[in-house]
Amino acid sequence: GAVVSQHPSWVICKSGTSVKIECRSLDFQATTMFWYRQFPKQSLMLMATSNEGSKATYEQGVEKDKFLINHASLTLSTLTVTSAHPEDSSFYICSAGALGYNEQFFGPGTRLTVL
Amino acid sequence: AQSVSQHNHHVILSEAASLELGCNYSYGGTVNLFWYVQYPGQHLQLLLKYFSGDPLVKGIKGFEAEFIKSKFSFNLRKPSVQWSDTAEYFCAVILNRDDKIIFGKGTRLHILP
Repeated sequence: GAVVSQHPSWVICKSGTSVKIECRSLDFQATTMFWYRQFPKQSLMLMATSNEGSKATYEQGVEKDKFLINHASLTLSTLTVTSAHPEDSSFYICSAGALGYNEQFFGPGTRLTVL
Repeated sequence: AQSVSQHNHHVILSEAASLELGCNYSYGGTVNLFWYVQYPGQHLQLLLKYFSGDPLVKGIKGFEAEFIKSKFSFNLRKPSVQWSDTAEYFCAVILNRDDKIIFGKGTRLHILP
């Protein structure tokens, strides 16, 4: 149980385009989802926390207009990187938490490359 | 601010050597503690976790960790490492007051065959 999937697993796009990444909890209802960014050989950096049906809470320094997060249902959250630039190239990871679980379940990540 | 410190950034060991990776956190309240492993090119996997009870926690693949509350530590150990343990290891903490997970910067473990 407690499986989280991400789609796509990797994406290459041109500079200036927008990219949407999906995060799904497959066998549980995720009341809270988290989005992280991981640069090569570095730790995960929390970007934002989203609760189903409400606006996401962004960490300091993360542009909310650039990284749009939608958590429309208890099993799906999306991260849209708008007007992507090469510096947005990174590994994006989502995790999900549920009521009664004091831990997060991580997705496999999405590697974004912006040309 | 709350933080998680991993003292060793890069560790190189020979096969069969014993391993201990340090992890300290800075928070005086109740915490849940985790160790994750990330094999090259793969996603995070949970090695073990501590919520309460016996402070010596056993995880997968022969790993264990000991929670020492007085030292705010949660060190990861394995008595005899294998080449396949080559990976990056992350210590993490969830503060019971909220849901956020705070990661350490990671320790890159390289096992020589």
